[in-house]
Amino acid sequence: AQSVTQLGSHVSVSEGALVLLRCNYSSSVPPYLFWYVQYPNQGLQLLLKYTTGATLVKGINGFEAEFKKSETSFHLTKPSAHMSDAAEYFCAVSLGGSQGNLIFGKGTKLSVKP
Amino acid sequence: EPEVTQTPSHQVTQMGQEVILRCVPISNHLYFYWYRQILGQKVEFLVSFYNNEISEKSEIFDDQFSVERPDGSNFTLKIRSTKLEDSAMYFCASSVQGVSSYNEQFFGPGTRLTVL
Repeated sequence: AQSVTQLGSHVSVSEGALVLLRCNYSSSVPPYLFWYVQYPNQGLQLLLKYTTGATLVKGINGFEAEFKKSETSFHLTKPSAHMSDAAEYFCAVSLGGSQGNLIFGKGTKLSVKP
Repeated sequence: EPEVTQTPSHQVTQMGQEVILRCVPISNHLYFYWYRQILGQKVEFLVSFYNNEISEKSEIFDDQFSVERPDGSNFTLKIRSTKLEDSAMYFCASSVQGVSSYNEQFFGPGTRLTVL
C-alpha cells in the first residue's frame, strides 16, 4: 500500500531564506509523486510532479523537488522564500495510469516572516 | 483559464439529512474524483468516475455515498443520511484521458460541509 509522510506540520522561515519541506513515501512500485499548494480558501494547485525521467523537477513559483529513490524522498525546496509562498503544501503519491487516485500527506503549513 | 467549480462553498445540514454537493469539471476532462479533508487531517480519496461509472472507491465511500453525472457538465456527490463525522471539506477534481503519462488532476475550491 502507498503512503506519504510529511515531516513537520508547520514550518516557519524568514523572507529570503531557504524553504525545505520534507516528504517521504512508501510504495510497492515506482510511484508518481506530486506537490500541491493550497492557499487560504482556495483549492489545491499543482506545484510540480515527478513521473519519469529527470529526478530533479522544477515547478511553478521557483519551487523544485528531487526524487531520491534510495531515500524514498521527494523534498520540496525553494532557494529564497517570498511572503506570497505562505500556504499549506501537500505531498501526494499515485501509482499513475489512466485513473490513479492520489494519496496525500497530512500537509505542511508554511509561514514566511518579514 | 478553465477551472473546476464547486457549489455551494459552504453547506450546513442537520444529522440524518441528505446533501448533494455539486461540481462542474473542466469541459474536456473525462475522469472525475471526489476527495475529502476532515479538519486538521489529510486529504483522502473517496471515489473516481469514468465513462459514467465508478472506477475506484475507497473504504470511506460506503453505501451512504453516491456519485452521478446527471448531464454533460455536472458531477455530484450525494450523502444520503449525513453523520456528524461527515463534516469536512469536499474537493472535486478532474483530469483528461491519458495514454502513457499520468494525468494531472485539477481541483476545485472545495465545499465545506458542516453537519449539526
